[in-house]
Amino acid sequence: DTEVTQTPKHLVMGMTNKKSLKCEQHMGHRAMYWYKQKAKKPPELMFVYSYEKLSINESVPSRFSPECPNSSLLNLHLHALQPEDSALYLCASSQGANRGVNTEAFFGQGTRLTVV
Amino acid sequence: GESVGLHLPTLSVQEGDNSIINCAYSNSASDYFIWYKQESGKGPQFIIDIRSNMDKRQGQRVTVLLNKTVKHLSLQIAATQPGDSAVYFCAENGGGFKTIFGAGTRLFVKA
Repeated sequence: DTEVTQTPKHLVMGMTNKKSLKCEQHMGHRAMYWYKQKAKKPPELMFVYSYEKLSINESVPSRFSPECPNSSLLNLHLHALQPEDSALYLCASSQGANRGVNTEAFFGQGTRLTVV
Repeated sequence: GESVGLHLPTLSVQEGDNSIINCAYSNSASDYFIWYKQESGKGPQFIIDIRSNMDKRQGQRVTVLLNKTVKHLSLQIAATQPGDSAVYFCAENGGGFKTIFGAGTRLFVKA
């Protein structure tokens, strides 16, 4: 199984809503990532979890709250988002940076988020 | 600042020809480079990678070349097929988990 599964595929939410994006992998990867991708732009790193601990937060606004319940799951909780937060949210996983040596990341299909 | 960029935003090639997609990076400390392919409506898909102790790496129909002297990376696709049409991103990693993506090149394959 080399898949990273993201749900939902599409999400429309109002600026006062609270929603969550979910990500799951069963490859035994110990690093998991959230990226944000705007149209015709490259993915931008938001958060990294390593061994279920938050390792990197790229100065992401607090209206985005990540959570890693266990080594296979990664959530992104959304609250009070703005229309400019509309984007494709990608989850990825990798084996992890063993002694500083990273490996390729496997990406999910993404959640297309629209904030109205 | 640290960035990974590309020389051309779009590339159009004839089916069967070879494609070359270029990438320039600015962080000399980067030691791991990856090429990803992203098709419409999908997440990026790993194509090939190379570490800084290598100059060239070959996969199935793809070759990555790394020139550390001029901080240049390229992806060569042999006998380009319609299924190769996508956006291609180079990405760099300087150790740890922080991987920076370049701007991307859209490859069009003409039948």
